[in-house]
Amino acid sequence: GPKVLQIPSHQIIDMGQMVTLNCDPVSNHLYFYWYKQILGQQMEFLVNFYNGKVMEKSKLFKDQFSVERPDGSYFTLKIQPTALEDSAVYFCASSLTGSGNTLYFGEGSRLIVV
Amino acid sequence: GQQVQQSPASLVLQEGENAELQCNFSTSLNSMQWFYQRPGGSLVSLFYNPSGTKHSGRLTSTTVIKERRSSLHISSSQTTDSGTYLCALGGSALGRLHFGAGTQLIVIP
Repeated sequence: GPKVLQIPSHQIIDMGQMVTLNCDPVSNHLYFYWYKQILGQQMEFLVNFYNGKVMEKSKLFKDQFSVERPDGSYFTLKIQPTALEDSAVYFCASSLTGSGNTLYFGEGSRLIVV
Repeated sequence: GQQVQQSPASLVLQEGENAELQCNFSTSLNSMQWFYQRPGGSLVSLFYNPSGTKHSGRLTSTTVIKERRSSLHISSSQTTDSGTYLCALGGSALGRLHFGAGTQLIVIP
């Protein structure tokens, strides 16, 4: 089936440093998402992105978070500066349309902030 | 409040037994997906099923909108079915999914 690729698969970073998580969504998809899952906890929505703009974000999407997708490149999640509570697995997803369609998820990027 | 509730929270089966996993939701939906989360964390999409019944091998998903529930039936379970099963409800035009807490399935030989 369609594949969403995420890079890196895991990263360890010092608290206060910046991290960028990269996502290569399914090629013809238009809607992009980031989700966060802390170890042993529920998957939580962070943000969705369409037509170059953030359309919706949750309380978890702090001011230190930003997303972008420059033309023809990765959909990125940047955290600057990182905090200990940012340690989690971050999943990228994409969808052809915003609703009424399957979301395809990547394998996740495991972030450990020390 | 919690929009998506899954039951049971965990389930242990002998290989060959069947499993019925439930997902109840408190709001209207325009999409419903079932996922399998591997022990390593990656997600596999099992079904996109906003209404009706769908089959895939030993798996069957049934969503009844007016009863606000969806179920996942696993027949003749195998040890490789062990992992966490997540249901996710979509209620907005932008595709945002609300996940349940999952059912952890352990199948023993």
